[in-house]
Formats: sequence, structure tokens, C-alpha cells
Amino acid sequence: GENVGLHLPTLSVQEGDNSIINCAYSNSASDYFIWYKQESGKGPQFIIDIRSNMDKRQGQRVTVLLNKTVKHLSLQIAATQPGDSAVYFCAETSSSNTGKLIFGQGTTLQVKP
Amino acid sequence: EPEVTQTPSHQVTQMGQEVILRCVPISNHLYFYWYRQILGQKVEFLVSFYNNEISEKSEIFDDQFSVERPDGSNFTLKIRSTKLEDSAMYFCASSGQGRDTQYFGPGTRLTVL
Repeated sequence: GENVGLHLPTLSVQEGDNSIINCAYSNSASDYFIWYKQESGKGPQFIIDIRSNMDKRQGQRVTVLLNKTVKHLSLQIAATQPGDSAVYFCAETSSSNTGKLIFGQGTTLQVKP
Repeated sequence: EPEVTQTPSHQVTQMGQEVILRCVPISNHLYFYWYRQILGQKVEFLVSFYNNEISEKSEIFDDQFSVERPDGSNFTLKIRSTKLEDSAMYFCASSGQGRDTQYFGPGTRLTVL
């Protein structure tokens, strides 16, 4: 079935450290994955995406890793800053072409100054 | 930078009343979506819309819900007879292509009393 979930509900890191947020998915037919950041009272904000023909993609201070063998996705944030504090969701598209996104539960990232 | 906008930011209504939530997607996008997020929970897909028709809907999107693109810029979600459990944040999103990045609006907080 379709199931995208996160391993940990809350992650607390020190400012300047690297953060790793994990996500597991169960639909092996999923081929497009996205990380969104959601600050309190706001809508999900696109961070980075990856397609299933890749296993790593880098952005500015963020890296997404995809392991299709174990159906695992991770988001790495380098030199975490207080402004990174938010809830992070992974999402996948279903195998249909409608673009429907299936979201995971979310991980709260708390950055300690 | 173009963005998705939504109005109102907060809507309070009595149970049984009709509400219309409005969205202005990014201007050159072709695919439109509504999602909802109950407080503290993950984002849930409601409906996708393309070429003036619904392309997919979830089981949440029952006969009380409808969507419309009344003109070239607006995309609306109507709830005909609101229930207490409809209280949530409602997010509109749009994308250029069906499986392209979806950009979310800031949301409308719907409170049903």
C-alpha cells in the first residue's frame, strides 16, 4: 500500500551541527520524492526533490539521499541554523499522473543556539 | 518570485454553513490541488484538478466538497455543509506539470463551531 512515514517525531540539534532527518516509504512504485519545510502557521515550503533514477541530490546546505533498496529517504542539513527550526515532511507522488502527494507524519527540528 | 495566494487566512463558520475557500495559483501552472492539515497532523491530499476537471480525489473529498476554476486565475474549494471535523488548515497548491514540484499557498484556517 501507500505509506510514507518518518522515523523520529522530534530532532534537537546544536546550532552549527549537521542534521539528518529520515523518512521511510513503502510503495516501491514511487519515483519522485520531495522534502518540504513547514514553519508554524505557514504552508509547506519546497526544499529539495529527487527522482528515483538518482540516489543523491545536493542543494544549498541540503542534501537528499535516496536508497531504493530499503525504501529510505533522508534529508541532510549542513551547519544547521536557528532559521531551520520547523517541521520537515517527506512526500512522494503516487504512480498515477495526477501529481497527488502523499505526506509523511513530519519531524520537528529544534535548533538550540 | 511568483507564489500561490489564498483567502481568507482564517474563516470561522457555524456547523452546517457553506464555506468557499479561494486560491490564486501561480499564473502559468496547469495543475491545481487542495490539501488539508488537521492541527498537529500530516498534510492530507483532497483533490487534484486539471483541464477544468477533477483528475483524482481522496475519500475525504465526499459529496460535500466541490472545486471550481471560475475564471482564469481563481481556484476554489467549497464545503456545502460544514461539520466540526472539517476544522483544519486548507492548503492550495499548483504545479506546472502533473508530476512537477508543487508550490503551496499559506493556507486558510477553517474553524467550524
